[in-house]
Amino acid sequence: KNEVEQSPQNLTAQEGEFITINCSYSVGISALHWLQQHPGGGIVSLFMLSSGKKKHGRLIATINIQEKHSSLHITASHPRDSAVYICAVSPGTSGSRLTFGEGTQLTVNP
Amino acid sequence: DAGVIQSPRHEVTEMGQEVTLRCKPISGHNSLFWYRQTMMRGLELLIYFNNNVPIDDSGMPEDRFSAKMPNASFSTLKIQPSEPRDSAVYFCASSRQGADEKLFFGSGTQLSVL
Repeated sequence: KNEVEQSPQNLTAQEGEFITINCSYSVGISALHWLQQHPGGGIVSLFMLSSGKKKHGRLIATINIQEKHSSLHITASHPRDSAVYICAVSPGTSGSRLTFGEGTQLTVNP
Repeated sequence: DAGVIQSPRHEVTEMGQEVTLRCKPISGHNSLFWYRQTMMRGLELLIYFNNNVPIDDSGMPEDRFSAKMPNASFSTLKIQPSEPRDSAVYFCASSRQGADEKLFFGSGTQLSVL
């Protein structure tokens, strides 16, 4: 069992739909990252959180430390949101080594 | 700020040749990370520097790989000799302090070893 599991692996949506990507982890963490990787390959950090909820534009990230679970929500999805979304956790015992999920491939059709 | 700058963007080389990848982190960031991404293994940490000192190099595959950070604004990842299985995208990232801070990634170097 992977330490970080994402679901779904692939997601296809219609423009305007509300999207949720889930991340579950099995280790204690000090921080959780949501990353976005576009087809061109570049990686952008969307959120870094250790508790509660963060919002940036149409993106919302939540984390439940007790349940070891995080969700990334996209409201009013748009084709430009099509990308791979990667969850990564920073274990509590180390400040350097991120453990990555396998990513969720999101395709938003017009 | 220009962000994390990596060079080259693409590198094609022949097996056995030396390859050097370069990274300039964001000014003021104390931590620098080298990651490798492949289809089979996803993103993997190769090495982590803090204040120019290598802190965690347990991800470096073997002695053919070496990394240096001679100053706060420059790091290199060298592969000598290169092998086809080294073909991957290599990302450099920096943060203010460790992996508990937001990471800023470079655009990556696509390495192909023939």
